[in-house]
Amino acid sequence: GAVVSQHPSWVICKSGTSVKIECRSLDFQATTMFWYRQFPKQSLMLMATSNEGSKATYEQGVEKDKFLINHASLTLSTLTVTSAHPEDSSFYICSARGDRYSNQPQHFGDGTRLSIL
Amino acid sequence: AQSVSQHNHHVILSEAASLELGCNYSYGGTVNLFWYVQYPGQHLQLLLKYFSGDPLVKGIKGFEAEFIKSKFSFNLRKPSVQWSDTAEYFCAVNAQQAGTALIFGKGTTLSVSS
Repeated sequence: GAVVSQHPSWVICKSGTSVKIECRSLDFQATTMFWYRQFPKQSLMLMATSNEGSKATYEQGVEKDKFLINHASLTLSTLTVTSAHPEDSSFYICSARGDRYSNQPQHFGDGTRLSIL
Repeated sequence: AQSVSQHNHHVILSEAASLELGCNYSYGGTVNLFWYVQYPGQHLQLLLKYFSGDPLVKGIKGFEAEFIKSKFSFNLRKPSVQWSDTAEYFCAVNAQQAGTALIFGKGTTLSVSS
């Protein structure tokens, strides 16, 4: 149980385009979803937290106009990288949790490798 | 804010050797503690977690971890590693009841030779 599906797994696109990444909880309701970014050989850096039906809370230094997050339902969150540039190339990982209060583990998607040419 | 420090960047062991990976956290309140594993090409999977109670927690695949509150530590152990344990291991923490996200350490790469 507790499967999180992330799509696409890999995307390559030209600089200036926008890219949407989907994150779905397949067998549980994800009250809270998180988006992380992972650089090679480094840890996961939290980008934002979203509760279903609310605006996302972004971490310091993360541009909310650049990384648009929508959590419109209990099973789906999307991250849109707007006007992507090569420096946005990274591994993006979504995570979902069934409650708001930290008492359940976070479950992770397989990640999306984004390459901007 | 919480922070997590993992002392070992890369650990190389032979099969059947014992493993201990260090993890220390920084936070003034009560925390939940986790160890996740990431096998090559796969997503992060939960190994074990500590919320409260017995500070020695047992997880999947023979792993265990001990929470030592006085040392702000949550070290991961396994008495005898296998080649299949080769993976990246992440320690993570969040604040209890606060609804906060997991904050991760930088990870430890474990390489086990057969």
